[in-house]
This record gives sequence, C-alpha cells and structure tokens, in this order.
Amino acid sequence: TQLLEQSPQFLSIQEGENLTVYCNSSSVFSSLQWYRQEPGEGPVLLVTVVTGGEVKKLKRLTFQFGDARKDSSLHITAAQPGDTGLYLCVSDSWGKLQFGAGTQVVVTP
Amino acid sequence: DVKVTQSSRYLVKRTGEKVFLECVQDMDHENMFWYRQDPGLGLRLIYFSYDVKMKEKGDIPEGYSVSREKKERFSLILESASTNQTSMYLCASSGQKRGNNNEQFFGPGTRLTVL
Repeated sequence: TQLLEQSPQFLSIQEGENLTVYCNSSSVFSSLQWYRQEPGEGPVLLVTVVTGGEVKKLKRLTFQFGDARKDSSLHITAAQPGDTGLYLCVSDSWGKLQFGAGTQVVVTP
Repeated sequence: DVKVTQSSRYLVKRTGEKVFLECVQDMDHENMFWYRQDPGLGLRLIYFSYDVKMKEKGDIPEGYSVSREKKERFSLILESASTNQTSMYLCASSGQKRGNNNEQFFGPGTRLTVL
C-alpha cells in the first residue's frame, strides 16, 4: 500500500494570496490525481499527472509532478473564496485509488 | 453530467441496528466503490465492484458487506452497527475498465452517526 503524505494539514489565507500544498509518497507513483472536496460534497477530480516533471495548469491552479515521480505540488495563484475546500492527492493503481489525508484550505474574503 | 446519488445525507442509528446505505449512478458505469472518510485519515476503501453481482474487499471491509444486484445500484450494509462506524460514507463510480488514470465520480456522502 502506497503511503501518501500531504502537507500542510490546514491552511488559512486571505483572498488574493498564493498557496502551495504538497503530496509525497513512500514509493514511485504510476500516476497521480488531485481532487477537491467542497463542504457537503464528494471529491471532484481536478487533474491527472502521469509523466515525471510534468506541469499542468488549470486557470489559477498549477500542478507539478516531481521528476522522480514520488512527489507532487499544487500551487494556487491569487486564491479566491471559491478555492476553499479539502485538496486530496490520490494515487491510482489499476482503478483502485489510494488517498492522502488531504490539506484543508480556507480562503477568507 | 454523471450523477451519483446516495439515499440519505444524514442518518442516525442505534448500536446493533442493521443499516443500508444505497448508491445509484446514472451513467452506466461498470465500477462502483464505497469509502469512509474520517478526519486525518482521508478516504479508505471499504468494498468495490467491477460488475454486477461481483464484489471485492477493499482496505477496511470488516463489519461491512455489499450488494450489487443491478449495474446502477451498489448498496453498503452494516449488519450490526457499532459506534466506531460513525463516519462519512462516500460512494463513487467510474466507467473505464480496470487500468490507471480512472476518474471516479462521487456522491455527496452520507453522514452516519451510530449512538
């Protein structure tokens, strides 16, 4: 079982600030997904990264996959209150997902 | 849009009761999953199913069973609820055959409290 560690556990920032959350693994990822879970809802997929060194952008969100494929980061530029949620990194092994505990992000106006 | 619905958003049961959590998806997905989510532990897989009448144990199946009689419906059963089963339960489905990079679509969750 792949162990996924996410940091920090909790992050509270003001609207307009930038933030970065991290995901680290005890072993190499085959692929990595990031989900966001808003209060009262289930997680929703944001992005999948597959290749070491890969960078993907989704509007103000930038996802990076480490060269060695053992770590990933999510950077949010100019955070907005709508970015509030639990950010989960997830490894996928033949359809079975292994979840990190998540980073709770709160963006206040 | 894929829609995954769960029968209840909130449920309160007593210790020893039999509890049924129902999940229905409307996109003809092959795969369905049940997770529980607890603070600091993330989502943990209880059971999953890749086809009708088929089930496989996840990481924490003890105290739970499942039923998949129809493709669109996946039920989670707590035979005799205990207080340590108080949790948020999330159902998910995905449409691709087994392999990597599958997107899972989640329901809104059922918050179960066992007194």
